[in-house]
Amino acid sequence: EPEVTQTPSHQVTQMGQEVILRCVPISNHLYFYWYRQILGQKVEFLVSFYNNEISEKSEIFDDQFSVERPDGSNFTLKIRSTKLEDSAMYFCASRGGLAGPYQETQYFGPGTRLLVL
Amino acid sequence: SQKIEQNSEALNIQEGKTATLTCNYTNYSPAYLQWYRQDPGRGPVFLLLIRENEKEKRKERLKVTFDTTLKQSLFHITASQPADSATYLCALFFMDTGRRALTFGSGTRLQVQP
Repeated sequence: EPEVTQTPSHQVTQMGQEVILRCVPISNHLYFYWYRQILGQKVEFLVSFYNNEISEKSEIFDDQFSVERPDGSNFTLKIRSTKLEDSAMYFCASRGGLAGPYQETQYFGPGTRLLVL
Repeated sequence: SQKIEQNSEALNIQEGKTATLTCNYTNYSPAYLQWYRQDPGRGPVFLLLIRENEKEKRKERLKVTFDTTLKQSLFHITASQPADSATYLCALFFMDTGRRALTFGSGTRLQVQP
């Protein structure tokens, strides 16, 4: 069964450093998302991406964040200058985008645990 | 602002019983609602989707109901097993708010005792 994959599974970085989190969405999907989950808290929406551009972003997704789909398979989240409060699990998700209930379903990757020291 | 409430306390039940989890929301009605399972340190795993014009959906031992008048969804696991122990998240997709992404509840932890 196709699945969303993410690398790395864990990332430790120093405050102020740049990190890039990588995702490979399900191959025929059209919509891509990043969410984050701070330990013990809710899953929170960061950004959605469609047709090679950001379609929506939350108030969390400020200028230090950016997303890119550099080729036909990868979808990346870059944090330019990490802060302590960026420590969280980051989940990538994708969905088909066509009609039908399961095309609307977002499928999540296993996450990248980011720890900023 | 839109609120989604799930029981924050853990639900403990005996194996073989039916677990019922609640998801309540305020303000706007979602176009559809999804239930996910999340194990510690893992990503949410999709279980069921129910649309605003559907009252009930089933999949194997799982059943979801959706009452737009009460602004509530119930998630049932029948004949529960210890392997069903996990956190269950409800996630709503709203059209009216302009936010085209899932809004998650905080989840309810289910513990099934053997």
